[in-house]
This record gives sequence, C-alpha cells and structure tokens, in this order.
Amino acid sequence: AQKITQTQPGMFVQEKEAVTLDCTYDTSDQSYGLFWYKQPSSGEMIFLIYQGSYDEQNATEGRYSLNFQKARKSANLVISASQLGDSAMYFCAMREVNNNDMRFGAGTRLTVKP
Amino acid sequence: KAGVTQTPRYLIKTRGQQVTLSCSPISGHRSVSWYQQTPGQGLQFLFEYFSETQRNKGNFPGRFSGRQFSNSRSEMNVSTLELGDSALYLCASSLLGTSGAGRQEQFFGPGTRLTVL
Repeated sequence: AQKITQTQPGMFVQEKEAVTLDCTYDTSDQSYGLFWYKQPSSGEMIFLIYQGSYDEQNATEGRYSLNFQKARKSANLVISASQLGDSAMYFCAMREVNNNDMRFGAGTRLTVKP
Repeated sequence: KAGVTQTPRYLIKTRGQQVTLSCSPISGHRSVSWYQQTPGQGLQFLFEYFSETQRNKGNFPGRFSGRQFSNSRSEMNVSTLELGDSALYLCASSLLGTSGAGRQEQFFGPGTRLTVL
C-alpha cells in the first residue's frame, strides 16, 4: 500500500519566493521518521531535512523548514527564498520504527523561474 | 571525506544476461542500502547490508541479490535480466544503518543507470 503521497507532480515558483511542497503519509506506528531529499538532474539524492514523530518543534535546516502536522499526517517542505539551483525533484520519505526500509513518495518536480 | 561512489555509472545489457553493480560507501560507514528508481514505480528499497549481513530486504524477486565485504563495499547482482530491470540503481551509505525511526542520515551515490535491451 502506498504510504507516502506527494500530490504535486510539478510546481513552479518565482526566484526569491517561498514554496511549499506537500507530503502526506500513512502509518499506524507511533514512532517514525520523515525525510526530504532533493534529486538534481545529475541523479544523486541529497538529504535536506529530518523530522522525528516525537519532535515537538518543526525541523529547520537553513532555507528549508518542515511544516509537521502530526494529527493530519502531513509533513510539508517549505523552501524560503527560492534559488535557481533549487530546481530539482523533491522526495518525501518515511521510515517506521517497526519497518526498517525507507519508503519514498513519487516526488515533486520543482522549477524555479528567474 | 570522499562521498559514496558507484561503478559503473552507465551499463547496457541484453535480456537474459546478468549484471554486477558496485558501491563504495563513505569511509567508516557500515551500512549500505540499495534502491531501484524507475519512472513508473519511483524509488523502491531493494536491501540493506550492515557489517556484511543482509539486515533488511524489499519486495523484489530472488534475481536481485547482494553482498557486502569486510571493507563495507557492496555489490548488487541481477541475474536473468528483464526489460523491466532498466532503472537507475542508487546506493546509500550510513554510519549505523537504517533501523528505527531516528535520524540515520543516508548519503547517496550518483547511481548506476542500467539499460536492458
């Protein structure tokens, strides 16, 4: 069963503006981790940000922040002040404490326009 | 510190052949995970090796196998190749592995793009 849903196949944002990439997940575990990765056209996956299910505060890493709404099972990625180099595929992923493999969403292709 | 390296970067094979892909993790990392990425199925977990032992396995047929050596380098083998095996194969390493829900950050290699004709 699909556990990670990214409903936006593609997104456009103007340079220097903020953008939100959506991610919802499905789990019955109380303990799990949520991850966002960026995949440029070169193919290499780059870790961006992590949110643990028990973390009370939303995670932030530089221009990246994670809008974590546990009751709604959503973990949206917010990129502030978009740059041209942010154009890439973005994947949301989850790892449950009782299931050690990492599950990825289908991804969102972000294009930053100058 | 050198990143995760994968060889070869590109590979073309024909149906029925077998292929071996190699992954060298970041120095000191003991866990290596393999993923298959295709346009249709997205990113799917293949297996994870930790200290030379397969610790986790995804839902792939037995044609897909792997191993890890004492220096943590890992190889993935696909036998009797099918057209549907054409994909980008990504390797990721982490210090302690992917157990649990904690922040065990995985570092990915550039991938091996396999084309099966």
